[in-house]
Amino acid sequence: DAGVTQSPTHLIKTRGQHVTLRCSPISGHKSVSWYQQVLGQGPQFIFQYYEKEERGRGNFPDRFSARQFPNYSSELNVNALLLGDSALYLCASSRDNQPYEQYFGPGTRLTVT
Amino acid sequence: RKEVEQDPGPFNVPEGATVAFNCTYSNSASQSFFWYRQDCRKEPKLLMSVYSSGNEDGRFTAQLNRASQYISLLIRDSKLSDSATYLCVVNDDDAGNMLTFGGGTRLMVKP
Repeated sequence: DAGVTQSPTHLIKTRGQHVTLRCSPISGHKSVSWYQQVLGQGPQFIFQYYEKEERGRGNFPDRFSARQFPNYSSELNVNALLLGDSALYLCASSRDNQPYEQYFGPGTRLTVT
Repeated sequence: RKEVEQDPGPFNVPEGATVAFNCTYSNSASQSFFWYRQDCRKEPKLLMSVYSSGNEDGRFTAQLNRASQYISLLIRDSKLSDSATYLCVVNDDDAGNMLTFGGGTRLMVKP
């Protein structure tokens, strides 16, 4: 079975620009979460979505937004990029009855210059 | 103070050694606990859940001490392939099902 997929794999943007990252969960998984991982640190929770509704939000500014589509895929949007937004952005999916056992995609590495 | 704290290491051990990692968490209401493994420049992968009674999976043993808010992972008979970063992860039910990760402990197993 295909795992969680994310696109693009790498992205370079300049300060002030906007970026959209995409994620497709494992087939049958209805919950998608987004995490930011800065080099040398553990992932930090950004959002979780289930059945197109936001179920949780981490401590990130309003420049970060996300949504989930009817096919359970998801987008993470970041506006007005800052240098500090450079990180690996990870998407994770989970089954209905095991909301905490999350399977991660390979991530999108974003570099802001 | 970080919500989930781990010694970043690195722990350098020879093949065959036994190594233990510890982790402390700050929220006494935390309900679920996990160890994830992350290889260099790869995504985290679930290694094992941690249950109150402790649990074992092959060479790996996880323990939870709720009173001390402390989680441990023991790896016996270390293999070269165990070299990775081990992430301690906690779920706080009052925070919308989010997972809180520690900073990770890096393990390097040498021949």
